[in-house]
Amino acid sequence: GAVVSQHPSWVICKSGTSVKIECRSLDFQATTMFWYRQFPKQSLMLMATSNEGSKATYEQGVEKDKFLINHASLTLSTLTVTSAHPEDSSFYICSALTPYLNTEAFFGQGTRLTVV
Amino acid sequence: AQKVTQAQTEISVVEKEDVTLDCVYETRDTTYYLFWYKQPPSGELVFLIRRNSFDEQNEISGRYSWNFQKSTSSFNFTITASQVVDSAVYFCALSGDSGAGSYQLTFGKGTKLSVIP
Repeated sequence: GAVVSQHPSWVICKSGTSVKIECRSLDFQATTMFWYRQFPKQSLMLMATSNEGSKATYEQGVEKDKFLINHASLTLSTLTVTSAHPEDSSFYICSALTPYLNTEAFFGQGTRLTVV
Repeated sequence: AQKVTQAQTEISVVEKEDVTLDCVYETRDTTYYLFWYKQPPSGELVFLIRRNSFDEQNEISGRYSWNFQKSTSSFNFTITASQVVDSAVYFCALSGDSGAGSYQLTFGKGTKLSVIP
């Protein structure tokens, strides 16, 4: 199957700093990528849909200025958590749609963010 | 709007027992896809199966089997002869055309399976 690489796998940062998470499709071009957030013992909640070359579409309740998403190329989408606070601590995971099998999304390994 | 319900929050079974994880879905799309994912403690999502709405055939893969019943909007997952390595959180998910052709995934809340040796 297609490979999606997410980096870093874990990160600890101080309150007030910004953290960037990368999501790369390694062996295919992904026109659409999704970003999910998962709190402990909870399900994955879609944060935003990222389309290459255009602005991301955010789900209701997700702050656009807080979670900056950039999908500048067909193989890379980034999520930047700006001015992070402890309540932003969570597991973030991306997925990418392949253009050839656009009914299935492939997931990255996830990033565990801890804000102290 | 799409919805996936996994009524079982946690299940514990003794090794070698069979266990069925329930999944009920709601969608207005005529074309949709159903998935099961496994999430071990490490966090990554492991893809198990995808089934499209036009294919109601049940599927078996080793100790895993899936029962898709459109009449009851259910897509249940059975593990036979469970093993300790099956311990994980299992998510059922649904995707359909969101209108933008992007096929977003809607996840259930997950079922935590603990297999006791």
